[in-house]
Order: sequence, then C-alpha cells, then structure tokens
Amino acid sequence: AIRMTQSPSSFSASTGDRVTITCRASQGISSYLAWYQQKPGKAPKLLIYAASTLQSGVPSRFSGSGSGTDFTLTISCLQSEDFATYYCQQYYSYPRGFTFGPGTKVDIK
Amino acid sequence: EVQLVESGGGLVQPGGSLRLSCAASGFTFSSYSMNWVRQAPGKGLEWVSYISSSSSTIYYADSVKGRFTISRDNAKNSLYLQMNSLRAEDTAVYYCARDSQSAAGPFDYWGQGTLVTVSS
Repeated sequence: AIRMTQSPSSFSASTGDRVTITCRASQGISSYLAWYQQKPGKAPKLLIYAASTLQSGVPSRFSGSGSGTDFTLTISCLQSEDFATYYCQQYYSYPRGFTFGPGTKVDIK
Repeated sequence: EVQLVESGGGLVQPGGSLRLSCAASGFTFSSYSMNWVRQAPGKGLEWVSYISSSSSTIYYADSVKGRFTISRDNAKNSLYLQMNSLRAEDTAVYYCARDSQSAAGPFDYWGQGTLVTVSS
C-alpha cells in the first residue's frame, strides 16, 4: 500500500505569510495527488488535483507542485480563512484505494 | 447546487450493525462514482469504500473488507454503507464523497458527515 507523509504536522503562521506544506509518497505516484482543506466540524474541501490544477472556485493564492514522490502545497499570502488542516491524498491506486496524508494543521501565530 | 446529505449514524454496541445513507441532489447521480470516507475523532481521513456509477466495480479498505458493504440506488439518487460486526475502532464521522467531475480520483463534493459511535 502507498503511504503518505506530510511535514510539518503543524505550525503557526501569521496573516500575509507565505506557507509551504510538503507531502511525500512511499512510491512514485506520478501527478495523482490532491490537496484538501478542512476546518473544524466541516467536511474537507478539494483545493488542488493532479498535483497542480486548481479546483474551480479556489483562490489563486493556493498552488501545488511536484510529481513522483515529492509534492508541495503553497499558500502565497495567508488569509484568516486559511487557518485549517490540510491533507494530501494519492489516487494513483484509483479506484482500488486512496491514501490520505496525516494532515498539517496551520494555526494563528 | 450539488448536495450530499448523510444519515443513519448513531450509537451502536460492538458487534452490532448500522446502515448509512447518502442522499444526492443537484447532479446526475447515476453518472458518478461515489465513495465513503471516515474520520475518527481528532484523527485524519481514511478512505473506506468506492463504488462505480453502475455498481459494477466496488473496492474496500482492508480495515473494513468483509464487514462493510457499499451499494447505491441510482433511481433513488442514494448511496449506502451497510456496516456489520462493528468495532470500537469504527467510531468516526462518515462522509460520502463524489468522484471529481474533472479527473477520476479526487473527491470534489462531500457531505456534512454522520457520526457513528461504537461503544457498550
């Protein structure tokens, strides 16, 4: 099974900061990677798929990059509504299985 | 507007059964593959099961294989998850999620979730 790791697990940041979250797959997954945002008590929201394609309606301050085993999610200018937990997900195994990373919590400094 | 509304969660004893439902609206349900994803309290996301649009292809996570059964009724725009032999570790919020319109794999719409608590 493909395992996903994320780093850091959590960190504090300020509004206006540029932040980067890293996701790593245990084997190559090409660009079959998605990023989700989840706020407390809410369902996850799809931000990016195919490693770098922005989901419709998602602000352009979010961007994704990477392929193979190493991926990043970047928020260019953190806004108050961006404080949340972010998960990566591989779908290289589609549809036999999907694996999420453990999540990265971004909170207010 | 796409909507997914889960129901059927609740408190059940270990070894018991529960059937979750997900009512879909705002899109052509019969054209989309669907999934169940769960999240234990304070934990991350875990994919549970996948069903293709015609129900011809079904997959489960190893953690639920043999105990859970996914199904759908396209005439009723509904997705189901029959959960048997429930364990304490099945306690979680269960979400139904739609396969993306743009790419097979990511989940572009999620329901609000229904909480399943397995406890004596």
